[in-house]
Amino acid sequence: GESVGLHLPTLSVQEGDNSIINCAYSNSASDYFIWYKQESGKGPQFIIDIRSNMDKRQGQRVTVLLNKTVKHLSLQIAATQPGDSAVYFCAVVSSGSARQLTFGSGTQLTVLP
Amino acid sequence: DTEVTQTPKHLVMGMTNKKSLKCEQHMGHRAMYWYKQKAKKPPELMFVYSYEKLSINESVPSRFSPECPNSSLLNLHLHALQPEDSALYLCASSQDPGVGKNIQYFGAGTRLSVL
Repeated sequence: GESVGLHLPTLSVQEGDNSIINCAYSNSASDYFIWYKQESGKGPQFIIDIRSNMDKRQGQRVTVLLNKTVKHLSLQIAATQPGDSAVYFCAVVSSGSARQLTFGSGTQLTVLP
Repeated sequence: DTEVTQTPKHLVMGMTNKKSLKCEQHMGHRAMYWYKQKAKKPPELMFVYSYEKLSINESVPSRFSPECPNSSLLNLHLHALQPEDSALYLCASSQDPGVGKNIQYFGAGTRLSVL
């Protein structure tokens, strides 16, 4: 099976600083990774994804880095804004027909004024 | 449009009640999911429907009964629930369950309280 863990349950950053949220996974057969953002009272919202044949992918103010050697991925948010305050989950999909998501435990990001 | 609509947003029910949660998507997605999320925890998979057929049941108690009337709709029928079933119930959909890049899009959830 797969287990997914985040390094820190909470993270506080100053507005305008960069944020880095880390995630570790256990199954070397995992081949697809997604980051979700969940604001209070809402469902998880897709942010960015990456396949295992890549090591970096950039979106608008977000970058995901994947290190398959140590089974680690990170989400970097540039110029963090108050609206970025939320719980961030990494989700991992293992190769095979089921292709279900295994969620990490989540990191609560708080942006300080 | 990546919208998944869930109703109701909030539901309070007694342990002897029967209620249903509803989920709808019009993205042409062929996989739909039910998740349960407790406070400060990640979503936990309950059921997966693939092409309107139940493909995964994660050992969910029979007091939860899913139904997929058509490719756009997903229901979760609730009966004789326990207070520990109080949680946020999330519906999600994805384009194709077997495809490598299979982004699941989530609804806002139904906040269920069992008294």
